[in-house]
Amino acid sequence: AQTVTQSQPEMSVQEAETVTLSCTYDTSESDYYLFWYKQPPSRQMILVIRQEAYKQQNATENRFSVNFQKAAKSFSLKISDSQLGDAAMYFCAYRWFGNQFYFGTGTSLTVIP
Amino acid sequence: ETGVTQSPTHLIKTRGQQVTLRCSSQSGHNTVSWYQQALGQGPQFIFQYYREEENGRGNFPPRFSGLQFPNYSSELNVNALELDDSALYLCASSLTGPNYGYTFGSGTRLTVV
Repeated sequence: AQTVTQSQPEMSVQEAETVTLSCTYDTSESDYYLFWYKQPPSRQMILVIRQEAYKQQNATENRFSVNFQKAAKSFSLKISDSQLGDAAMYFCAYRWFGNQFYFGTGTSLTVIP
Repeated sequence: ETGVTQSPTHLIKTRGQQVTLRCSSQSGHNTVSWYQQALGQGPQFIFQYYREEENGRGNFPPRFSGLQFPNYSSELNVNALELDDSALYLCASSLTGPNYGYTFGSGTRLTVV
């Protein structure tokens, strides 16, 4: 069964600094997709970044990048130059061809001015 | 381009009652999924609809049911409400295929008393 684990319930970072959020997952599939979603207090889940498992190159979206280690089944999110607006819950998610998303339990990120 | 719209935003129901939650998918999206997010948890997959047919279901009892309409909007119905059904219910729409991320609505906060 697919599972997604986020072992850091809470993280904090100084404004303008860099923070890394961890995620591990378990699957027997070779082709799948991984996502990071952000959920601010407004409750709406917002896609941050996406990674295809068959791609070796780590995905990057502006200040957000991932470190994808397929063999280790690890998918961490790095946020550079942290901004106050980055404060939110962050969820790691896995998706296979079954279309269902499996989410982790989330990491609450606080940005300190 | 419209996003995903959910109604109502908040709802209070009594145990044993029935509830219907509504979702309008993003323009052009043919797949709608529903998730239950308990407080402090990640979203849990309830079911998914594609072209008005249920094509995936999570570990939820039959009293959770749904519909998708020709315009791809959707309803989630929950019968015989229990206290544990209190949660944020998220609707998400997407195109078919695992490489597509979801567009989420802001959810309906259901409280069962």
